[in-house]
Amino acid sequence: AQTVTQSQPEMSVQEAETVTLSCTYDTSESDYYLFWYKQPPSRQMILVIRQEAYKQQNATENRFSVNFQKAAKSFSLKISDSQLGDAAMYFCAYRSAAGTASKLTFGTGTRLQVTL
Amino acid sequence: EPEVTQTPSHQVTQMGQEVILRCVPISNHLYFYWYRQILGQKVEFLVSFYNNEISEKSEIFDDQFSVERPDGSNFTLKIRSTKLEDSAMYFCAKDSPGRREQYFGPGTRLTVT
Repeated sequence: AQTVTQSQPEMSVQEAETVTLSCTYDTSESDYYLFWYKQPPSRQMILVIRQEAYKQQNATENRFSVNFQKAAKSFSLKISDSQLGDAAMYFCAYRSAAGTASKLTFGTGTRLQVTL
Repeated sequence: EPEVTQTPSHQVTQMGQEVILRCVPISNHLYFYWYRQILGQKVEFLVSFYNNEISEKSEIFDDQFSVERPDGSNFTLKIRSTKLEDSAMYFCAKDSPGRREQYFGPGTRLTVT
């Protein structure tokens, strides 16, 4: 079974600064997807960014980028130019590329605070 | 435009009562998922549903739970006899057209008293 580990329960960043959230995972599969989801106080789950395991290039979405290290099974999220609206819980998630309806496996989350 | 809507947004029920949580995908899709998030904890997979049948279920999804697509559009999660520990946010999700991402509904907050 796959597992996802987020070792930072809480992180804090000043507005306009950069912060990196860590995620590691364990799998024996070679083809899979990794995601970061944002959960603001409304508790809505919002997809931030996706990475395909077969792609060597790190995914980027505006101020959000990832550092995907397949051999190390590491998938960190970098948020640049942090904004107050970035304050939320961030969940790392794994999804197998095999099967007809593969589920997401989530980490325990990192709470990000953004200060002035 | 939301991909998935869920009703109700908040449900309060007494222990032992049955509850039905509803999910309405905006467009026709075959793959649906239910997840649960106990307050302060991670999001946990409950069940996946493909082509009107359960594809996979977790250990959490015991005999108290069932899923249906009663009218070909709505997608329901039923808890037959609620327990205090069923209090959580319940999320419905559907696959993106390319089946890489999953898009979540806004969730139903279930409170069992």
